[in-house]
Amino acid sequence: AQKITQTQPGMFVQEKEAVTLDCTYDTSDPSYGLFWYKQPSSGEMIFLIYQGSYDQQNATEGRYSLNFQKARKSANLVISASQLGDSAMYFCAMREMDSNYQLIWGAGTKLIIKP
Amino acid sequence: DAGVIQSPRHEVTEMGQEVTLRCKPISGHNSLFWYRQTMMRGLELLIYFNNNVPIDDSGMPEDRFSAKMPNASFSTLKIQPSEPRDSAVYFCASSFPDRRNTEAFFGQGTRLTVV
Repeated sequence: AQKITQTQPGMFVQEKEAVTLDCTYDTSDPSYGLFWYKQPSSGEMIFLIYQGSYDQQNATEGRYSLNFQKARKSANLVISASQLGDSAMYFCAMREMDSNYQLIWGAGTKLIIKP
Repeated sequence: DAGVIQSPRHEVTEMGQEVTLRCKPISGHNSLFWYRQTMMRGLELLIYFNNNVPIDDSGMPEDRFSAKMPNASFSTLKIQPSEPRDSAVYFCASSFPDRRNTEAFFGQGTRLTVV
């Protein structure tokens, strides 16, 4: 079974609109961390935001926020007021003790922002 | 800190040749990951070191691939002999060990082309 599922292979969004990128995960470990990374066309992997399983509040980092619904095992990334520079691949990942804390990755979502 | 440093950034080699990719992790990070990224297979974990010891090498494709971490500040990934299907971007990443709440920092990647 997939540990991290990103169901949207690609998305087109109009500039300035908000975007939600979906991520669901599967773990029996009560202590885990969830991460989102951005990979622009230049290729580097850029860390965006982190959510811990025990965190009471949803994580926020500037225009990025994480809609964490623990019971549903979802950790969707929300980008507010999208910009052309947000066009990139976005990856969801998880660290858990059961996997020796290695990062488990989703397949990614390709986001294209239209002007 | 300069971040995770990989070399070379680009490598073009002929089939059958030996290829060595190098990585210098961020100082203080005791976990090191080697990933391969292709369009077809996405981001694949090849091997994961913790305190210089390989923890999970189940992602290493075959005996042609080997990885070493002789000390905390250096790791190599070697392919011998190389094949065209090894063409990919190879990433090295490092993080603090055994923690669910620490992100991995990626190097710029090495783009390998085997002709």
